[in-house]
Amino acid sequence: DQQVKQNSPSLSVQEGRISILNCDYTNSMFDYFLWYKKYPAEGPTFLISISSIKDKNEDGRFTVFLNKSAKHLSLHIVPSQPGDSAVYFCAASAGGSQGNLIFGKGTKLSVKP
Amino acid sequence: DSGVTQTPKHLITATGQRVTLRCSPRSGDLSVYWYQQSLDQGLQFLIQYYNGEERAKGNILERFSAQQFPDLHSELNLSSLELGDSALYFCASSVAGHPRTQYFGPGTRLLVL
Repeated sequence: DQQVKQNSPSLSVQEGRISILNCDYTNSMFDYFLWYKKYPAEGPTFLISISSIKDKNEDGRFTVFLNKSAKHLSLHIVPSQPGDSAVYFCAASAGGSQGNLIFGKGTKLSVKP
Repeated sequence: DSGVTQTPKHLITATGQRVTLRCSPRSGDLSVYWYQQSLDQGLQFLIQYYNGEERAKGNILERFSAQQFPDLHSELNLSSLELGDSALYFCASSVAGHPRTQYFGPGTRLLVL
């Protein structure tokens, strides 16, 4: 039973265009969401997060949108660069001090020059 | 570089054996989390320690155990290894007071033959 789903295993985008990565969740108790980027042979790198009290958070080229009623979040990368090519993981947390994250299976982004 | 270190980077062993994976959190982080990433799977939470005490348990097998030492480094012990235990094992740490943003180490790739 996957609580966090990334339904697109891969996405290909042209350099300079917008990349939109999507994530759906089922657990209404999730109140904090994160995106991580992962290169081969490296650990996941934290990108950006959003609390459920917000619907948007922006950091440079990265923006995360949260639609609680649809239980959906998305990561926008504008403009996309070849160095953004990596696997992107969506993660969610249900609060409290425990903090363990529930991850999606990832979306592999390829940005073509 | 996240500041989280993991050793060894690679480990090859045989079925039935026991191995120990080591993690040093970022300076000042009190929480350590262990995750397993198997082929085609997202990251699965195994266990969390906070300042030496077990805080949360996820999908951790009884053959696996962990501990966090007074200097805050952590070890994950995997025993009676099976072929299916071959995976990437990641350690993450988080800032006290903001437990949900976790910073990951480079991982240990375990291969059980």
